[in-house]
Amino acid sequence: RKEVEQDPGPFNVPEGATVAFNCTYSNSASQSFFWYRQDCRKEPKLLMSVYSSGNEDGRFTAQLNRASQYISLLIRDSKLSDSATYLCVVMEYGNKLVFGAGTILRVKS
Amino acid sequence: EPEVTQTPSHQVTQMGQEVILRCVPISNHLYFYWYRQILGQKVEFLVSFYNNEISEKSEIFDDQFSVERPDGSNFTLKIRSTKLEDSAMYFCASTKDSPFADTQYFGPGTRLTVL
Repeated sequence: RKEVEQDPGPFNVPEGATVAFNCTYSNSASQSFFWYRQDCRKEPKLLMSVYSSGNEDGRFTAQLNRASQYISLLIRDSKLSDSATYLCVVMEYGNKLVFGAGTILRVKS
Repeated sequence: EPEVTQTPSHQVTQMGQEVILRCVPISNHLYFYWYRQILGQKVEFLVSFYNNEISEKSEIFDDQFSVERPDGSNFTLKIRSTKLEDSAMYFCASTKDSPFADTQYFGPGTRLTVL
């Protein structure tokens, strides 16, 4: 079983759409959870941390369900500049980040 | 805003040669990491480093790999005898405090091509 699983997409959406990404993780002892964004051939950049209480940053909302080992990201009012690969990331013992393979988002005008 | 920097941006080498990839973490950071990403695949953890020693390493990080913090600013990854399958983007990352409470900041990466 993959440690962090994501739907690879691509998700092709028009500008202004709302899009949701899901992720599941296998290690119930994982402590911290993140969404990173990666543009083509660039480094991963932190989008937001994810908490059980849910958190929102502008158009982005992230949610964690520890019981189901499930993480989500909602993007509202999609912009062209949101086009990227979204990486679900889990931190495990030893401070290592475990990455999902990423979900590709393409926002079109 | 402080950044992690990496040099070179692209390294081409012959199979069997040694390469050293260099990173300058953010200046007040204490924890350092190397990750790699083979083209089209996910980012994979290689090694974490704290207080001048390795704290954790993955199965990928075998005897061909080593890390060093030779001075107060640089953090290097050495691959002793490169193989074709070492071709990948190598990302350095750093974090300030206890990583469970802090963000890992990534450098722009070094693209390693082994011929």
